[in-house]
Amino acid sequence: KAGVTQTPRYLIKTRGQQVTLSCSPISGHRSVSWYQQTPGQGLQFLFEYFSETQRNKGNFPGRFSGRQFSNSRSEMNVSTLELGDSALYLCASSLALAVGEQFFGPGTRLTVL
Amino acid sequence: AQTVTQSQPEMSVQEAETVTLSCTYDTSESNYYLFWYKQPPSRQMILVIRQEAYKQQNATENRFSVNFQKAAKSFSLKISDSQLGDTAMYFCAFTGNQFYFGTGTSLTVIP
Repeated sequence: KAGVTQTPRYLIKTRGQQVTLSCSPISGHRSVSWYQQTPGQGLQFLFEYFSETQRNKGNFPGRFSGRQFSNSRSEMNVSTLELGDSALYLCASSLALAVGEQFFGPGTRLTVL
Repeated sequence: AQTVTQSQPEMSVQEAETVTLSCTYDTSESNYYLFWYKQPPSRQMILVIRQEAYKQQNATENRFSVNFQKAAKSFSLKISDSQLGDTAMYFCAFTGNQFYFGTGTSLTVIP
């Protein structure tokens, strides 16, 4: 069974631009979560989607948004990029909401210049 | 507030020795799951071990075991017979209404 895939793996943007990251969960998994990882901060929860609905949201500004499609694939969008948005963005999928094990993708490394 | 605290930012251990990583958490929920995840330098996060809060028996997975103290809200990870491949960031996590992760412990296994 294929693992969680994320595209692109690396991205360089400039301040003020917007970016869209994509995540394909493991087949059969309906929950997709997004995290921002920065040195010293660990993993900060962005949001979780289940059956195309956002079920949980972390403490991030409205510039961070996401969506989930009927095939469970998910996208995350960040508008008006700031230097502080530079981070590794991880996607994780699981069978159900916030229970059991999450399976992580390799991440997208976003650099904002 | 639900939080996870890993008080050891960095640790090192000699190859073949045993090391224990600490984790404490805070939650008002009675039923939840606890996890240790490993993130090697290649960055792919993988599950090391899982513990259901309602189970009193500590989970074990080969060289990895946990010491789960529910009343103290403590969930430490013991790695026995450390190997070079154990070098990684280790994250403690638990599920409430969402996953909560600690800030991680960077473990280096010294040959």
